[in-house]
Order: sequence, then C-alpha cells, then structure tokens
Amino acid sequence: DQQVKQNSPSLSVQEGRISILNCDYTNSMFDYFLWYKKYPAEGPTFLISISSIKDKNEDGRFTVFLNKSAKHLSLHIVPSQPGDSAVYFCAASDLTSGTYKYIFGTGTRLKVLA
Amino acid sequence: NAGVTQTPKFRVLKTGQSMTLLCAQDMNHEYMYWYRQDPGMGLRLIHYSVGEGTTAKGEVPDGYNVSRLKKQNFLLGLESAAPSQTSVYFCASSERGAYNEQFFGPGTRLTVL
Repeated sequence: DQQVKQNSPSLSVQEGRISILNCDYTNSMFDYFLWYKKYPAEGPTFLISISSIKDKNEDGRFTVFLNKSAKHLSLHIVPSQPGDSAVYFCAASDLTSGTYKYIFGTGTRLKVLA
Repeated sequence: NAGVTQTPKFRVLKTGQSMTLLCAQDMNHEYMYWYRQDPGMGLRLIHYSVGEGTTAKGEVPDGYNVSRLKKQNFLLGLESAAPSQTSVYFCASSERGAYNEQFFGPGTRLTVL
C-alpha cells in the first residue's frame, strides 16, 4: 500500500511558465512534508518543506501548498527554468511517532523546455 | 566538508556473493538511512539508525543487514546477493530531532547477475 503517491510520472513545461507538481498521501498521521530534487547520477537534494500546521511555505521561486483535508500537497515553481529539469520527490513523515522515518513518492520527472 | 559519501560508486556481483556498502558522513548527524531506488518505485527505506549502536527496519529490510558501530559510518550488507537487489542505493543523514531535512550521498549502482 503506497502511502505517498505522485500520480504524474512526467511533466513538460515551457520556460518562464509555472510548473505544478502534485503529491497525495493516505496516512492522516503524516505531519511533515518535504520536496527533493534529483539530477541524474546524483543523490536527491532538499528543496522545501512544510509542517502540517501551515498551508503554504514559500522559498524564492518555490512554493509548497498543503491541503490537509484532501491529503494533498503541491509544489509550484514560478518561473520555471531549464535548470529545474529533474526528478522531484515528495516525502512525508509522522513526527509524533518519534521514528523520524520518511516515506517517499515515486517521483515526477519535470522537463522545462527552452 | 565532504557531506555524505558512499563507497563504492558501482559494483557488479554474481548471485550468492556478499558485499558491504559503506556510507560516511562528516556533519556529526545523529540519524542515518539506507534507501534503494528502483524504476517506478521511488525511494524505499531499507534500514535506518537514530544513533550510534542502534538500527531499525524500514519498508524493505529483507536480505539486508546494517551496522552503526561509529556515529559517522553506516554499513549496509548483502549476505547473499540476488538479482532482485539490483538497484541504486542511497545513504542519507540528518540531524537529531524533528523538522530536519536529509542529506543524501551520490548513490551506489549495484547490479546482481
């Protein structure tokens, strides 16, 4: 049973436009969510996070939105740049469990077209 | 700072052979993790450790063992490799406590024939 789902395996966007990557989760105990970016032949790197007490967190061109009632989060990239082309993973954790484990989604490959 | 390093970068094994993957971090992080990445499966947690001398099972622990004898090192062992263990393995570390992101190593690509 996949607790964190990224239903779009790939996404193509024109440079300068908005990229929206989606993530759904099933475990209502998840209270902390992160997005990672991964380039080929490299490890994932942290991008942005959000706690369940917030519904939005912004860092430069990147904004994460959390809709707890829908168990859905999204990552917005505005404006999209060719260097943003990568695989994006969302991850979730139940911090109240004290285990500090993270469950990752399957990833969305973003391609920003110049 | 080197961050998180993994040794080796690539390895080819025959079925039944054993090997150990080494992860080292120089950030004095308390928590360390081993993941595997397979096409269409994302990153799946194999084992993790919340401190020196401790280990715990993740989502897919079968066929793997781990040890955390030193705070900076986390070893992943395959006692008898199987083709199903062909994957890219990532190690990660994070500071103690909540709301801390993980720092990942560059990965080890393992092929089991």
